Amino acid sequence: AQSVAQPEDQVNVAEGNPLTVKCTYSVSGNPYLFWYVQYPNRGLQFLLKYITGDNLVKGSYGFEAEFNKSQTSFHLKKPSALVSDSALYFCAVRGRGNTGTASKLTFGTGTRLQVTL
Amino acid sequence: DSGVTQTPKHLITATGQRVTLRCSPRSGDLSVYWYQQSLDQGLQFLIQYYNGEERAKGNILERFSAQQFPDLHSELNLSSLELGDSALYFCASSPLGTGNTIYFGEGSWLTVV
Repeated sequence: AQSVAQPEDQVNVAEGNPLTVKCTYSVSGNPYLFWYVQYPNRGLQFLLKYITGDNLVKGSYGFEAEFNKSQTSFHLKKPSALVSDSALYFCAVRGRGNTGTASKLTFGTGTRLQVTL
Repeated sequence: DSGVTQTPKHLITATGQRVTLRCSPRSGDLSVYWYQQSLDQGLQFLIQYYNGEERAKGNILERFSAQQFPDLHSELNLSSLELGDSALYFCASSPLGTGNTIYFGEGSWLTVV
């Protein structure tokens, strides 16, 4: 079974400072990894994904994530946080293969990012 | 805008009732997924359809059912509703292929009173 852990319920950071939202995963074989963001009363918006290749993935709104196979981690990062980045962030994993439950996304519990002035 | 359309956006209904949530996937996407988001359970995968056929089943209650129609839109039917069914229900779609991104709609807020 595949699973995702987001160990922090909330991350607080001052505007202009770098931010990191942590994610570790468990899946059979090589993973597909995703980050989504949810603003209040809105749906899930896709930020970025890791499929293969370069371990540093760049996504929307200046976010990036680093895939670390040995540590089974896929932490979300941004060099300089904005107040408007405050939202709920979800990490998700998907196993490779097109059959059965392997094709579904399994989400972590989410991390609330609070960026203050 | 993800291109996935869900209706209704908000729904309030009484216990014991039945509701239908509707989803139009992104143009060209054959896979449709339903997820439930609640405070205590987080984001839970309910069910996936691909081109009209059920593809995968998750934590979907027997009181819930779904289908995907020939025009690829999907409906999630929730019956004998209980207070605990109050949640945000997401529909999502993607092309087939697990490397493809799954795009989510804005969700349907269901409140059972």
